[in-house]
Amino acid sequence: QTVVTQEPTLSVTPGGTVTLTCGLTSGSVSPNYYPGWYQQTPGQAARPLIYRTNIRSSGVPDRFSGSILGNKAALTITGAQADDEADYYCVLYMGSDNNCVFGGGAKLTVL
Amino acid sequence: EVQLVELGGGLVKPGGSLRLSCAGSGFIFSNAWMSWVRQAPGKGLEWVGRIKSKTAGGTTDYAAPVRGRFTISRDDSKNTVSLQMNSLKTEDTAVYYCTTGGGWDGFDIWGQGTMVTVSS
Repeated sequence: QTVVTQEPTLSVTPGGTVTLTCGLTSGSVSPNYYPGWYQQTPGQAARPLIYRTNIRSSGVPDRFSGSILGNKAALTITGAQADDEADYYCVLYMGSDNNCVFGGGAKLTVL
Repeated sequence: EVQLVELGGGLVKPGGSLRLSCAGSGFIFSNAWMSWVRQAPGKGLEWVGRIKSKTAGGTTDYAAPVRGRFTISRDDSKNTVSLQMNSLKTEDTAVYYCTTGGGWDGFDIWGQGTMVTVSS
């Protein structure tokens, strides 16, 4: 069974840049997996940030960007702000069986 | 206003059944693929399943843990999507979110979620 991997925890200083990654236990992430990214704060539903690797969802500031870095999908936050402190989830579309698989999530702390 | 509102959560015994519904407004519901995503207490997001729009075939797909026990259906005349959950297990305890999408464009609109607790 393919597992989607994320760093469990990361930290960034205010104004700094941080990159979160999304990989596979077997194989490489490519645009063919249509990677997406979501932000969730406690008690709230997830908020879409990025879809199709690098397209920002409506209302998302351009300091959030998506890409493929090496064999993983990546979410880069530049100019981090205090309210970026949240859980971040990636999701991949597995075309072979029409399923979506979320990563385990990454807890981002803004120190 | 674009929104999704879920109804139907609650407490159910292991082996029991529960039906969740989700009403959409502010967008063309019949064009939307609809998914259910769940989150167990203190855990991450888990995709449950999806129903495509009728124009895309109206077919359903499910995550392995729920396949054969859960069924998603839609009524475009009422702008609703439902999740019928049978043979419930304690590990199905979670907040269940209704979302649009579940294909190449991810999950766009999210409901507020409804809690399902499976416990004796």
